[in-house]
Amino acid sequence: DIQMTQSPSAMSASVGDRVTITCRASQGIYNHLIWFQQKPGKVPKRLIYLASTLQSGVPSRFSGSGFGTEFTLTISSLQPEDFATYYCLQQMSYPYTFGQGTKLEIQ
Amino acid sequence: QVQLVQSGSELREPGASVKVSCKTSGYNFTDSPVNWVRQAPGQGLEWMGYINTKTGKAFYAQGFLGRFVFSMDTAVSTTHLHFSSLQAEDTATYYCAKDSWFDPWGQGTLVTVSS
Repeated sequence: DIQMTQSPSAMSASVGDRVTITCRASQGIYNHLIWFQQKPGKVPKRLIYLASTLQSGVPSRFSGSGFGTEFTLTISSLQPEDFATYYCLQQMSYPYTFGQGTKLEIQ
Repeated sequence: QVQLVQSGSELREPGASVKVSCKTSGYNFTDSPVNWVRQAPGQGLEWMGYINTKTGKAFYAQGFLGRFVFSMDTAVSTTHLHFSSLQAEDTATYYCAKDSWFDPWGQGTLVTVSS
């Protein structure tokens, strides 16, 4: 099975900060990676797919990059509504696996 | 538009069984598999497996072999998650999500196991 190691598990930041979250796959997954945002009590929302393709309607301050085993989600300038938990998911091969999540909190 | 609508919250006693439904609309049901994802309270997302809606064949992640069964009813474009011998640790929100692109998701179904 492919393991997804996400870091950090939690972080605090301020509005306007640039934030980067990383996911590392235990083996190469090409670009078969999705990033989700989840707010408390809400359904996960797809932000980025194919590692770097922005979901329609998602603000351009979100971006994704990476290929193979190293992937990053970057928020260029944090907004108040971005404080949430973020997850990566590899959908290269079964069983699909999520990262452990990164809880982004207000500093 | 494409939608996945899940059945409502469930409360069960330990040892009981439960069925969660995920009704799809807005696309050809047999064209796209449906994934199931579990989220325990305060915990992360856990992929449970998927059902191939063309063949009815299911694939389960390692931790969901045995007590969990995915099924479907093509006539009403609905997939089901059935699990038995419920334990307190099964208390979670269960989500369905469309195909390997995980978009969209159902709204989630909270299953609470308590005596």
